[in-house]
Amino acid sequence: AQSVTQLDSQVPVFEEAPVELRCNYSSSVSVYLFWYVQYPNQGLQLLLKYLSGSTLVKGINGFEAEFNKSQTSFHLRKPSVHISDTAEYFCAVLYPGAGSYQLTFGKGTKLSVIP
Amino acid sequence: KAGVTQTPRYLIKTRGQQVTLSCSPISGHRSVSWYQQTPGQGLQFLFEYFSETQRNKGNFPGRFSGRQFSNSRSEMNVSTLELGDSALYLCASCPGQVTYEQYFGPGTRLTVT
Repeated sequence: AQSVTQLDSQVPVFEEAPVELRCNYSSSVSVYLFWYVQYPNQGLQLLLKYLSGSTLVKGINGFEAEFNKSQTSFHLRKPSVHISDTAEYFCAVLYPGAGSYQLTFGKGTKLSVIP
Repeated sequence: KAGVTQTPRYLIKTRGQQVTLSCSPISGHRSVSWYQQTPGQGLQFLFEYFSETQRNKGNFPGRFSGRQFSNSRSEMNVSTLELGDSALYLCASCPGQVTYEQYFGPGTRLTVT
């Protein structure tokens, strides 16, 4: 079974500072990896995904993530955050061999950008 | 294309009642998944439907059920509601194996009193 651990439940950061949100996963088979963002009272929006190929993936709103197979990590980064980045961020895995598109999510990290 | 739509957006029910939530996927998407989001348990997978067939089911009691229609619209039903069923129920649609990207609706906020 797959599991996802987001190591920080809350991350405060000053505006224009860099940020890294950490995600580790546990799986005995290859998985696909995703980061989603959720703004208050809204659904989830896909930021970026890793299926294969380059381990550094770029997403929307200036976010990027790096897949590290040896460390089973998929950390999300942004070099300079804005107030509008305040939201909750979820890391998720999908096992492509399962015959379904089920996502397994981490518990989420609440990013608070301080002016 | 229009996004994933969910109705109703908000719902208040009493313990013991049943409820039906609806989800309309993005046009052309044949996969619809449902998730329950609570502060304590986070995002948990309920079930996934593909071309009217349930392909996978999460670890929820039988009170939770769903179905998908030939136009890919999906409904989920919860019978004999309990206080613990209060949650945000999210629906997601997926175009298929090329991207594996799931597009989420805004959710239905269910409150059980």
